[in-house]
Amino acid sequence: GQQLNQSPQSMFIQEGEDVSMNCTSSSIFNTWLWYKQDPGEGPVLLIALYKAGELTSNGRLTAQFGITRKDSFLNISASIPSDVGIYFCAGQDAGNMLTFGGGTRLMVKP
Amino acid sequence: EAGVTQFPSHSVIEKGQTVTLRCDPISGHDNLYWYRRVMGKEIKFLLHFVKESKQDESGMPNNRFLAERTGGTYSTLKVQPAELEDSGVYFCASSPGSGPYGYTFGSGTRLTVV
Repeated sequence: GQQLNQSPQSMFIQEGEDVSMNCTSSSIFNTWLWYKQDPGEGPVLLIALYKAGELTSNGRLTAQFGITRKDSFLNISASIPSDVGIYFCAGQDAGNMLTFGGGTRLMVKP
Repeated sequence: EAGVTQFPSHSVIEKGQTVTLRCDPISGHDNLYWYRRVMGKEIKFLLHFVKESKQDESGMPNNRFLAERTGGTYSTLKVQPAELEDSGVYFCASSPGSGPYGYTFGSGTRLTVV
């Protein structure tokens, strides 16, 4: 089946630093998504990308859909303690099903 | 608007027992999905309902798992008999149609099989 390789698996950074994480896939997806999961909660959609090459921002978050439609990155600028959580990339195909990456656990030191 | 609600939030059962997880989607959402995250790995798709019909059940791991969606409203996921490797977090999500927006996840049920 389809697989997304997400890296890094975890990051421990200082408050105020910028963060970057990415996902690659052997398959093409119609839509790339980035989710955040807080402890005890379900994933919440942060950014959705629909077109190859698309660059989208949501506050301090910026994500891009790779030209080949097989990769995406998420940047977080000027991290704050509430950015702590697990970030997942996901690809969506025509069937509505989501294929998730393994997640990046972000820890922020005040 | 109430979100996607899952019951219970946690369940600890012994190997060989039966467990039933419940999901109440957002009212009016025809699409209902089950996913699970096992042992800190990726979140994996299990199945997709459109109203009461199973649209895609390609992710169901084996015949110990049975999902139903009576009347196209709430859904249940039964594991019988449970095995150790079934431990993980089971997420339900619902959406009104296609596309990622409106695709809302519940808080999950953490299942521990001992």
